[in-house]
Formats: sequence, C-alpha cells, structure tokens
Amino acid sequence: DTEVTQTPKHLVMGMTNKKSLKCEQHMGHRAMYWYKQKAKKPPELMFVYSYEKLSINESVPSRFSPECPNSSLLNLHLHALQPEDSALYLCASSRTRTAAGELFFGEGSRLTVL
Amino acid sequence: QQQVKQSPQSLIVQKGGISIINCAYENTAFDYFPWYQQFPGKGPALLIAIRPDVSEKKEGRFTISFNKSAKQFSLHIMDSQPGDSATYFCAATKETGANNLFFGTGTRLTVIP
Repeated sequence: DTEVTQTPKHLVMGMTNKKSLKCEQHMGHRAMYWYKQKAKKPPELMFVYSYEKLSINESVPSRFSPECPNSSLLNLHLHALQPEDSALYLCASSRTRTAAGELFFGEGSRLTVL
Repeated sequence: QQQVKQSPQSLIVQKGGISIINCAYENTAFDYFPWYQQFPGKGPALLIAIRPDVSEKKEGRFTISFNKSAKQFSLHIMDSQPGDSATYFCAATKETGANNLFFGTGTRLTVIP
C-alpha cells in the first residue's frame, strides 16, 4: 500500500466555521507533512511531524492547528480562516525526516473559504 | 530567496518531441535532486531523482542530466506523449539531517498531438 489518503476532497467553509482535514498513511512512514498549494505555485511547507512530534512550524498562523494522533494519522484543524486561505492542502509522508526528498503526497483537500 | 530556480514556466511540445526543463541551485550542500510530476486535481508524485555522484540518470523516457560545477540539472522527456501533459517541479534538499525540500516554481508542460 503506497497511498496517502486525504479527506475530504473538497471543503467549503465560512470564516467562522471550525473544520478538520484528515490524512492517513499505512506505509510505516515516520514523517508526515502538511503543505499548502496555491494555483500555479509549488507546494509550501506548513508543518512537519517526525515520530509523532511536531518538528517544524513554518510560521503558520494559529488559525491552522495540526495534530498527529498516531504514526498513521495527521489532522489539520481549521478555525476562523480567511478567504486568502483558500487553496489545495496536501498531506505527504516520507520514511523518515531525512528522506524528505522522497515524499508521497495525497491528492489533497481543496478548501474554499467564503 | 528562491533556493531552486526553474525554467521555462510553460512549455508546449509536439507529440514525439523532446521536452527539456532546466533548474539551477545555489546551495552546494544540496545532495538530492528529485523531480515531481503533478496532474490537475492530483498531488505531486515523485518521478525521478538524482544524487551528485552521477551526471545522468535515466528511467524509461525520463532522464535527469546533472552538472555539479554549474549547479544545474535538467529533466529530459524523450518521445513526449499527450499523457505527459502535467506540471513538473524540480526540487533539492540535503539528505543528512532533517532538512526541508525546496521546490522550483514549476513548469506546465503541454504535449500536443
């Protein structure tokens, strides 16, 4: 199984809503990542978890809150988002943090903030 | 500061032609250079990668050429097919230690029949 599964595929939310994005992998990877991708741009790193511990937070606003309940799951909790937060949110995993060049990406969650 | 520079921004190639995408980097500590392919509505997928100890790596129709002294690397797609139409991102990282992956700005390739 070489898949990273993300849900939901599409999400529309208002600026006062609270929602969560979910990501799951069963490859035994110990590093998991959240990326944000705007149209026609490369993915931008948001958060990195290594062995279920947050190792990098790329100065992301607190309205984005990551969570890693176990080695297979990664969540991104969303609250009080702004319209400019509309983007494709990608989850990725790698064997370990040192294999960060060999990322396995999910298909993404397309977020629209109204 | 853009760690990896990529060109061209977009590329149109006839079916059967050769597609060439170029990237350049500044940080000589980088030692792993992957290419990712992204189809519309999908996440990026690792296509092929190279380390600086070799000057070329070939996998099927895809070849990476690497010039360490010039700090440049390129992706060649031979016999380009309409199914190759996608956005391609070059990237670079330092494998030792926990380092980030730096992406190029992307090239949108269109292969016309």
